Amino acid sequence: KAGVTQTPRYLIKTRGQQVTLSCSPISGHRSVSWYQQTPGQGLQFLFEYFSETQRNKGNFPGRFSGRQFSNSRSEMNVSTLELGDSALYLCASSFGSGLNYEQYFGPGTRLTVT
Amino acid sequence: AQTVTQSQPEMSVQEAETVTLSCTYDTSESDYYLFWYKQPPSRQMILVIRQEAYKQQNATENRFSVNFQKAAKSFSLKISDSQLGDAAMYFCAYGGGSNYKLTFGKGTLLTVNP
Repeated sequence: KAGVTQTPRYLIKTRGQQVTLSCSPISGHRSVSWYQQTPGQGLQFLFEYFSETQRNKGNFPGRFSGRQFSNSRSEMNVSTLELGDSALYLCASSFGSGLNYEQYFGPGTRLTVT
Repeated sequence: AQTVTQSQPEMSVQEAETVTLSCTYDTSESDYYLFWYKQPPSRQMILVIRQEAYKQQNATENRFSVNFQKAAKSFSLKISDSQLGDAAMYFCAYGGGSNYKLTFGKGTLLTVNP
């Protein structure tokens, strides 16, 4: 079956703008997690959604938000972009919520803020 | 807060040889999971191997095995019979407690020499 898909794959935005990234999980998966990957900070957890509810949130400012739809697709939004938001944003889906379920990662969205 | 440390930013191995990647973690929880993920260049991150902390037996997956030392909070990955396709960034990750997030190490870049 199809893997996790993320759109767009690449994005260039200007400081102060906002951006919305999309993640479509593997069919049947109900949990979606988002991570930010940068050379300096590495991989950092943003948030996790399960059945349209945010289950956990990482240590990021309120400019980072997300949601999950009834079909389990998820979006994350970053408002008032800063240069430091340039990163690879990864989403991962799993069948259930909890670490005993394997997470499958998407290819990521490469965001560049200029 | 949980932390994961990978002390080897880069490692190299000859094809068909064995290599061990190190990982240490810090936690006060007794129930948790440990993971090794592989991120090939410009490709999706995939799960290599997983270890539940309550299991004393070390996990193995074909050529990949771990040495889990719970008291020492150490979780190393051994790759036997290294292949060119094993070249990638390897991330050690911790997951535990009531939240569903993974805490990643900074990664070890593995080069496989023919």
